Amino acid sequence: NAGVTQTPKFQVLKTGQSMTLQCAQDMNHEYMSWYRQDPGMGLRLIHYSVGAGITDQGEVPNGYNVSRSTTEDFPLRLLSAAPSQTSVYFCASRLAGGPSVDEQFFGPGTRLTVL
Amino acid sequence: GIQVEQSPPDLILQEGANSTLRCNFSDSVNNLQWFHQNPWGQLINLFYIPSGTKQNGRLSATTVATERYSLLYISSSQTTDSGVYFCAVRTGGSYIPTFGRGTSLIVHP
Repeated sequence: NAGVTQTPKFQVLKTGQSMTLQCAQDMNHEYMSWYRQDPGMGLRLIHYSVGAGITDQGEVPNGYNVSRSTTEDFPLRLLSAAPSQTSVYFCASRLAGGPSVDEQFFGPGTRLTVL
Repeated sequence: GIQVEQSPPDLILQEGANSTLRCNFSDSVNNLQWFHQNPWGQLINLFYIPSGTKQNGRLSATTVATERYSLLYISSSQTTDSGVYFCAVRTGGSYIPTFGRGTSLIVHP
């Protein structure tokens, strides 16, 4: 299993540009989520999904869109990039169900800079 | 929502020293995980420990759910232990964990 994969690893954008961060997992996990990590702030939840066709907002959703057309993929779209979106983005996934399968797994991250 | 506080925020050790990291949370949880983020940014699962005690080599963790805290013990620390340690918790009403701000650990040779 590749686990959780993210592309690209690094990206530089200009203010106002749009782009999509890709996330895929091959573990058949129902739940997927996107976090951003900023210095001193820990990880903050942007959006999450509990299954194909179902998404919901997290703590900091503004400026981002998501969709979940398949179990495997959960792309994050920046509609019009702003310098405040400069951050490291992590995708994560886990199985739904009881506590015995409740571990969350992370991708390697995407480092985004918006100029 | 639930509040997660980690202490200390920063920790500097000499190789071979022991340390205890703490995670306090403001509500009952049914999931608690400890993660290590290495200097390359990778997040690695350490423990899934909603209650009780677990050990894995030099690391161990204890969660006292009734008192709303968890402790991560690192014994005989090594330079490879450097990085940031995060605690993440989830309540019964939420799908996705909430993270603390982390403890940044530097281990000097």
